[in-house]
Amino acid sequence: KQEVTQIPAALSVPEGENLVLNCSFTDSAIYNLQWFRQDPGKGLTSLLLIQSSQREQTSGRLNASLDKSSGRSTLYIAASQPGDSATYLCAAQFLMNNNAGNMLTFGGGTRLMVKP
Amino acid sequence: NAGVTQTPKFRILKIGQSMTLQCTQDMNHNYMYWYRQDPGMGLKLIYYSVGAGITDKGEVPNGYNVSRSTTEDFPLRLELAAPSQTSVYFCASSYLPRQTFNYGYTFGSGTRLTVV
Repeated sequence: KQEVTQIPAALSVPEGENLVLNCSFTDSAIYNLQWFRQDPGKGLTSLLLIQSSQREQTSGRLNASLDKSSGRSTLYIAASQPGDSATYLCAAQFLMNNNAGNMLTFGGGTRLMVKP
Repeated sequence: NAGVTQTPKFRILKIGQSMTLQCTQDMNHNYMYWYRQDPGMGLKLIYYSVGAGITDKGEVPNGYNVSRSTTEDFPLRLELAAPSQTSVYFCASSYLPRQTFNYGYTFGSGTRLTVV
């Protein structure tokens, strides 16, 4: 079964710290890996998407990496701010031969708290 | 351009009651999805649709039904509500079956359902 796991479930850091969120997946036959941000009571906002042929993507203070051979992705947040406090979800699209390949398989999320 | 609109935002149901969660999108996306998110967990796919008149089961379809009579609308029906269906429900749509840099998922803001 294709699964996505995120550890830790929760993380608290002081403002200004650089941090790394981890995501692991069980099947290297991956089409892409996406990181989302979810604020309380809100929907999901896409942060970064890495295609299987790529190793990383960057957007501002965010950098996401993908290592298919080890089944891992990381989201690096530089100089964290209180406004970064949210739940971060990673999701994979695995290669499949039917329409179910449209689905995203989500990890359980990491709840990040950045303290002022 | 409203994106993906879900109604209602909140609902409390009694065991055995039925209800329909509404989802509509104005982006002319063919692909639409229903996910549920349990506390502290990632999202799990309930049903999806690849176009008007075509629907298929996702990972956790039991207790739910869907229909797709138009491109815009993808309602989710709960016939006999059970406490296990207490969750946050997200509708999403996409232009392409697989995510790319310019064409990703668009999520609604969610419906928080409690069954008592």
